[in-house]
Amino acid sequence: GAGVSQSPSNKVTEKGKDVELRCDPISGHTALYWYRQSLGQGLEFLIYFQGNSAPDKSGLPSDRFSAERTGGSVSTLTIQRTQQEDSAVYLCASSLGHLGGNRVEKLFFGSGTQLSVL
Amino acid sequence: AQTVTQSQPEMSVQEAETVTLSCTYDTSESDYYLFWYKQPPSRQMILVIRQEAYKQQNATENRFSVNFQKAAKSFSLKISDSQLGDAAMYFCAYRSYPSGGSNYKLTFGKGTLLTVNP
Repeated sequence: GAGVSQSPSNKVTEKGKDVELRCDPISGHTALYWYRQSLGQGLEFLIYFQGNSAPDKSGLPSDRFSAERTGGSVSTLTIQRTQQEDSAVYLCASSLGHLGGNRVEKLFFGSGTQLSVL
Repeated sequence: AQTVTQSQPEMSVQEAETVTLSCTYDTSESDYYLFWYKQPPSRQMILVIRQEAYKQQNATENRFSVNFQKAAKSFSLKISDSQLGDAAMYFCAYRSYPSGGSNYKLTFGKGTLLTVNP
């Protein structure tokens, strides 16, 4: 597609349920990032993928959060046993992923998934 | 760890006027990048402007310009001839200078909500 696509756009779930959030990056982008935006807060880094590998998972807030990426393309962020504090906008971004040197690549963001845990 | 502070939760400006959004940051690094992102109601983060710390000249993109004061660790955004379409949340962000493929994370401030009055 022309841009980063995220689905669903909005998700309402009950406390304790599991949810899956999907990110479809721009074709050819090997780097993929997940960020979380809680109400009134800036974006908080969650996880970074280079290809199918996740060299940095340091931002995942608890073991209820996991993410995977298959085929170097689509990524899924899974939250198990959701809690009310998980309510936030989850944003995905991708970039070409040419690491090294002094290049700073432009990130392309999706429109996010608004997760509401009741 | 780096921190980014935006001290103005909300700002307003009259259409066609000029407004300046403030951002300060804390880092022990000498080389880094700074960004301003715009987030309209669609939630998609859009890069407005970026500044390399090693460049003394302030970056400019059409009506958007920055005042980068490295010693003061200040990075303000000036929007000239404000338009209704400029209304959005604006985030200041920091990124370390790339080295060996690391330092890819963006650290964001909490944002400033800009209202443009007709």
